[in-house]
Amino acid sequence: GQQVKQSSPSLTVQEGGILILNCDYENDMFDYFAWYKKYPDNSPTLLISVRSNVDKREDGRFTVFLNKSGKHFSLHITASQPEDTAVYLCAAGATGGNNKLTFGQGTVLSVIP
Amino acid sequence: GGIITQTPKFLIGQEGQKLTLKCQQNFNHDTMYWYRQDSGKGLRLIYYSITENDLQKGDLSEGYDASREKKSSFSLTVTSAQKNEMAVFLCATDDNQDTQYFGPGTRLLVL
Repeated sequence: GQQVKQSSPSLTVQEGGILILNCDYENDMFDYFAWYKKYPDNSPTLLISVRSNVDKREDGRFTVFLNKSGKHFSLHITASQPEDTAVYLCAAGATGGNNKLTFGQGTVLSVIP
Repeated sequence: GGIITQTPKFLIGQEGQKLTLKCQQNFNHDTMYWYRQDSGKGLRLIYYSITENDLQKGDLSEGYDASREKKSSFSLTVTSAQKNEMAVFLCATDDNQDTQYFGPGTRLLVL
């Protein structure tokens, strides 16, 4: 089964708005959680990540929240911009497990000017 | 910094054909990965390798072989291409700090 799931295949938001991307996971051993961003015809690049010893990490307009008991983490983007339009992939891994990451299916985000 | 190079960029094959995709990196990273990207399915791990000559199966290894000939290169073989198959194959390395770096991808089309 899918160990890491993104519930929304796509999301559209008006420029300037706040948006939330969600990711659920199943493996209790996961202790590293990340969001990757992918533009069309480009490769995924790491946007933000967090380890399980904290429940939140902020980097500019991007914040990742971790809810370990609920096996859920999310990406919040504030003041959304057209340049945020991309595919967002969540990923999770167990740091004792050869650094292997399991990716979600991706959410296609469109920010409308 | 470093670069990951994947060849070829585009690969068109025939049904039943054996096809090989190559990946080179100059990050000097130990671990390398091969993922398959299909629309609506995110990235699925095919094979990975934690050092030269090591191979570990991912969730999607059936129908594929891989080879880590040296630290800087990791190749993937589609053992028998499936008709109408279309996907992007992404090679990646990681820096032992959990961040993965991806190559530009090889786009496969099987006629």
